Amino acid sequence: AQTVTQSQPEMSVQEAETVTLSCTYDTSESDYYLFWYKQPPSRQMILVIRQEAYKQQNATENRFSVNFQKAAKSFSLKISDSQLGDAAMYFCAYRSSSYSGGGADGLTFGKGTHLIIQP
Amino acid sequence: DGGITQSPKYLFRKEGQNVTLSCEQNLNHDAMYWYRQDPGQGLRLIYYSQIVNDFQKGDIAEGYSVSREKKESFPLTVTSAQKNPTAFYLCASSYRAEGDTQYFGPGTRLTVL
Repeated sequence: AQTVTQSQPEMSVQEAETVTLSCTYDTSESDYYLFWYKQPPSRQMILVIRQEAYKQQNATENRFSVNFQKAAKSFSLKISDSQLGDAAMYFCAYRSSSYSGGGADGLTFGKGTHLIIQP
Repeated sequence: DGGITQSPKYLFRKEGQNVTLSCEQNLNHDAMYWYRQDPGQGLRLIYYSQIVNDFQKGDIAEGYSVSREKKESFPLTVTSAQKNPTAFYLCASSYRAEGDTQYFGPGTRLTVL
C-alpha cells in the first residue's frame, strides 16, 4: 500500500514571501499521479496542482509550482508571492495508475500542513 | 452551474440511528467517491463507484453502505454499526480517464449525540 508523509504540521510565511511545503511518498509503482489540494476554513477541498509521474517537467500553475523528484519520492509545493488568501491546510495526495495495477480506487492523502500567512 | 452538491451541511444523529448523506453531481463524471476526515488527519477512502450499479469498498468501509442507481447520485448511509461516526464527510467525482483529477463537494459534518 502507498503512504504519503507531510512532515511539517504547520508553516508560517510573511506575505509576499516564498514558502515550500514538503511531501514524501512510498510506492513500488512506476506510474502514478500526485496532487496538492488546498482546504481553506470553509473546508472545501480545492485542487492546486497535479503532476504525472511519467513527466520529467515540474508542473506550474501561476504562483504555485512543484519540485518532483521521482527517485527520491519527493513532491514539494512552492508558493511564490504568498497572499493572505493562501492561508489554509494543504494536502499532498497520491493516485495509482491503472497501468500499474491500480486505477480509480481513490486518493491516498497525507495528514496536511497548516499554512499561516503573516501580514 | 456545474458542480458537486452535498446535503445536509450539518447532521446530528442519535446513537443507534442510521443516517444518509446525499451527494449529487452534474459534471457528467462516471466515478464517485466518499471520504472521511477526522481532526488533524488527511482524508480516508470509504467507498467508490466507477459506474452505475457498481461500487467497491475503500480502506474504512465497515459501518457504511452506499448505492449507485443513477450516474449523478452516490448516497452514503452511516449505519449504527459504525462505532465512531462523528467526522467530516467529503464526496468527490472524476472522469474515468487515466489519472483524472477528483473534484470535491463542500462536505457534511456529522455529529453523534
